[in-house]
Amino acid sequence: AQKITQTQPGMFVQEKEAVTLDCTYDTSDQSYGLFWYKQPSSGEMIFLIYQGSYDEQNATEGRYSLNFQKARKSANLVISASQLGDSAMYFCAMRGGYNFNKFYFGSGTKLNVKP
Amino acid sequence: NAGVMQNPRHLVRRRGQEARLRCSPMKGHSHVYWYRQLPEEGLKFMVYLQKENIIDESGMPKERFSAEFPKEGPSILRIQQVVRGDSAAYFCASSPDRGRSPLHFGNGTRLTVT
Repeated sequence: AQKITQTQPGMFVQEKEAVTLDCTYDTSDQSYGLFWYKQPSSGEMIFLIYQGSYDEQNATEGRYSLNFQKARKSANLVISASQLGDSAMYFCAMRGGYNFNKFYFGSGTKLNVKP
Repeated sequence: NAGVMQNPRHLVRRRGQEARLRCSPMKGHSHVYWYRQLPEEGLKFMVYLQKENIIDESGMPKERFSAEFPKEGPSILRIQQVVRGDSAAYFCASSPDRGRSPLHFGNGTRLTVT
C-alpha cells in the first residue's frame, strides 16, 4: 500500500527566510511521481512542483525546490525567501500503483509566514 | 483554456435529500478523480474515472455514493439520502494521462447537510 507522511502539522517561518516542509513516502513501486500542492485559505488546490522517481536532478520551480532522496524515500519541499502569501496548507502527494491509478495525499502542513 | 469547473460551489441539503456534484474536466483531459476533504484535514481519495469507466472506486463508501463520467457531459458525484457526516468539501481533479502530469483541481463544492 502507498503511504504519504507529513510529520509537521504546523510550521512558522520568518518572512524572507527559507523553510523546508518534510514528506516521506512508502511504496513498493519502481516508478512513481511525487507532487506538492498549496492550498491557501480560499480553498483551491494549486500545483507547485513535480519529481519523477527516475529523475536524477532535484526539481526546481522558481522559489520552490524539491529535495528528493530516493534511498530515504523523502521528498521535502524547500521554499526560499518566504513571502506572506506563502501562508497556506501544503500537501505532498504521490502517483503510483498499478497503471499509475493511485494518487495519494499526505495530511498536510500548515505554514505561517511571519512579517 | 478553462480550468476544471465544479458546480455548485456551495450546496445545502437537508438530511435524507440527494446531492449532485458536477465536474467538467479541463479540455483534453479524460481522467477524473474525486476527493473529499474535511476541515483541517487532507484529501481522501474517493473514485477515479475515465470516460464511461470507473477505474478505481476503492475510496467510495459502499452505500449512497455513486459516480459517473459519461461520454458526453460532466462527471457527476451523487450522494443519496445525505447525512450530517457527509458535510465536507468535495474536490474534482483531472489530468490528460496517468504519467507525469499533475492533477488539476477545481475549486471544490462545499456540501452542508442540515
